[in-house]
Amino acid sequence: AQSVTQLDSQVPVFEEAPVELRCNYSSSVSVYLFWYVQYPNQGLQLLLKYLSGSTLVESINGFEAEFNKSQTSFHLRKPSVHISDTAEYFCAVSPYNTDKLIFGTGTRLQVFP
Amino acid sequence: NAGVTQTPKFRVLKTGQSMTLLCAQDMNHEYMYWYRQDPGMGLRLIHYSVGEGTTAKGEVPDGYNVSRLKKQNFLLGLESAAPSQTSVYFCASSYRPDSRKPSTDTQYFGPGTRLTVL
Repeated sequence: AQSVTQLDSQVPVFEEAPVELRCNYSSSVSVYLFWYVQYPNQGLQLLLKYLSGSTLVESINGFEAEFNKSQTSFHLRKPSVHISDTAEYFCAVSPYNTDKLIFGTGTRLQVFP
Repeated sequence: NAGVTQTPKFRVLKTGQSMTLLCAQDMNHEYMYWYRQDPGMGLRLIHYSVGEGTTAKGEVPDGYNVSRLKKQNFLLGLESAAPSQTSVYFCASSYRPDSRKPSTDTQYFGPGTRLTVL
C-alpha cells in the first residue's frame, strides 16, 4: 500500500520570503511523484511532476521540488513567494503501472504582505 | 475548449434523497475519476473509468454508483444520500501520453460540486 504524508497542514509566510512544503511518501513499489495546487474556489491543477531523470523538477512559476529516494521525500520549495501563491498544495504519488493517484492531506500556504 | 466541467456547482439534499452529479470533458480523454475532498483528508478516489462503458471502484466507493455511457461524460450517483456524504466532489480526466506507463498521466480537474446533506 502507498501513503503520502504532508506534515504541515498550514504554512504562514511573508511575501518575498522562502518557503518549503514537505512531502514524504511510503510505498513498496516505485512511484511517480506530483504536486498539485488548488487556488481558492477552484479545482486542482498540476504544478510539477517527477517521472524520471533529473531529481530536481521545476514549474513555470518558480516552484521546484527534489526527489530524494533514500529519504522518500519530494519537498516543494520556492525562494521568494508572492501573494498570488496563496493556495492549498497537494503532494501525490502514482505507483508504476496503476491508474491511481494517492493524495496527501494538503498544506495550506498563506502568504502575507 | 472548456476542459472539465461539473454540474451542479452547489446542491443541498435531505437525508435519503437521490441525485446525480455530471462531469463532462472535451479533451477526448480516456480516463475519468470522481474524488471527494474533506477537510484534513485530502482527496479520496470514489470511482474511476479507464474508457467508455467501464468503471472501477476506488478507495471509498460505498454509497455511490457511476456510469460512463459516453466517453466525454462520467456520472456520479447517490441513491440515498447520508450526512456523511457532505463533501466537495471533484471530477478529473486524463490521457495517456505513454501507453506503457498509465501512471504518468496528468489529471485535469473540474471546479468541484459542493454537496450538503442535511
